Amino acid sequence: EVQLLESGGGLVQPGGSLRLSCAASAFTFSSYAMSWVRQAPGKGLEWVSGISGRGGSTDYADSVKGRFTISRDNSKNTLFLQMSSLRAEDTAVYYCASSPYYRGPSLIWGQGTMVTVSS
Amino acid sequence: DIQMTQSPSSLSASVGDRVTITCRASQNITSYLNWYQQTPGKAPKLVIYGASSMQSGVPSRFRGSGSGTDFTLTISSLQPEDFATYYCQQSYSTPYTFGQGTKLEIK
Repeated sequence: EVQLLESGGGLVQPGGSLRLSCAASAFTFSSYAMSWVRQAPGKGLEWVSGISGRGGSTDYADSVKGRFTISRDNSKNTLFLQMSSLRAEDTAVYYCASSPYYRGPSLIWGQGTMVTVSS
Repeated sequence: DIQMTQSPSSLSASVGDRVTITCRASQNITSYLNWYQQTPGKAPKLVIYGASSMQSGVPSRFRGSGSGTDFTLTISSLQPEDFATYYCQQSYSTPYTFGQGTKLEIK
């Protein structure tokens, strides 16, 4: 079954760091662009970051630029989001999602991992 | 950044009704418009991509239309499982912004 499984969420203090992972299975991971999308409690969806299939192109929302880094390890079918200088407003469920091409729709979504930034 | 504006923000309807949700982009995004359905506690699910292409497995009562800056999602003959929040998203240029969502509730 085609699947994405996020991990790495948790409680972190403001200014702290966290690394999220997204493990892909049952599809050719390197052929798909990947994204991170987040949803603050009770709020809408916010696109956070995206990366091309080979990892050569990356993009970020202005709200996380310079603080978050997206990367992927195609040999391990895994997507990452390194988050630093975390703020309370980064508190959200973080979803990873796959797209068949870089400007394509997010076809497959993970179940999400919760990140809470609080002292 | 491209701003996406959905209307209405919420909508009450009955089973069997036909409903239309509108999404407007702040600039021309050609047909790079996607629609997602989300139920509470679940990940979003792709419903329509490329403005009017139905994702595999989505019932034919869902229809997307539009191009340029104005788009619509129409659900004909609402079923109980359709009551959810719907989001539009542009994938024309990064950041791939979402609309604020339309919550479809049972009347």
